[in-house]
Amino acid sequence: NAGVTQTPKFQVLKTGQSMTLQCAQDMNHNSMYWYRQDPGMGLRLIYYSASEGTTDKGEVPNGYNVSRLNKREFSLRLESAAPSQTSVYFCASSLDRTNTEAFFGQGTRLTVV
Amino acid sequence: QQQVKQSPQSLIVQKGGISIINCAYENTAFDYFPWYQQFPGKGPALLIAIRPDVSEKKEGRFTISFNKSAKQFSLHIMDSQPGDSATYFCAASSDFNKFYFGSGTKLNVKP
Repeated sequence: NAGVTQTPKFQVLKTGQSMTLQCAQDMNHNSMYWYRQDPGMGLRLIYYSASEGTTDKGEVPNGYNVSRLNKREFSLRLESAAPSQTSVYFCASSLDRTNTEAFFGQGTRLTVV
Repeated sequence: QQQVKQSPQSLIVQKGGISIINCAYENTAFDYFPWYQQFPGKGPALLIAIRPDVSEKKEGRFTISFNKSAKQFSLHIMDSQPGDSATYFCAASSDFNKFYFGSGTKLNVKP
C-alpha cells in the first residue's frame, strides 16, 4: 500500500520561480490537505479539500494555490517562490470529516534561494 | 498566534522512565485531540487520539489525559524506550479535520 505519495522529495528554487508539488493517495479518501512544517511552528494548514471539486483556505494560504484534480490527486502551486516559503511540505488525506485520522506523505523539502 | 500550545520543546528521559508532554488550547469548539509521532525524514503518523467526552484514553504504553475545564491535555509514555525517540505533536480540530498542531516536542530516550 503506497498510502500518500508526494513528489518531488527535494527541490531548490530561485526566488520568483514557480513550481507545483504533487500529491496522490490510493486510500479512496475524500479529504486532502497541504501543511507546511517549520522549526518551532509545528505544522500549519495551507489549504484543504473536503471533497472532490472543493478547496478552502487554511491558516497560511498566501502565496499558494491548489487544485483538486480528481479524488486521488491534490496539487500545491507556488506561482512566485519567496525565501519565506522555504519549508517542508506535507500532504495528508483522511476518509472524510467523520473519520478523523489523517495519513501523511513523506514530505517535500523545498528551499528557495 | 498558535491555537495549540505545547511544552516542553525537548525532553530527555532515561529508558524505563515516564515521558510527559503537555498541550493547552483556547477554542472550545475543538472536539478531537490527536497526538502524532514523527521520525526524522518521515511524515507524522497518528499515535493516539481522544474526544472531550472522556478524561483518559490508554493504548498500550501511551495514555492521553484530558481536562476539559482547564482546556489541557497531555501525553504520557510509560516505560519509555529508545525506539520512542521522535518528535511528538499534539493537535486539535473541529470542522473538516482542519488540524491545528502544537509546536512539537523532541523526545530523546537514553538507553
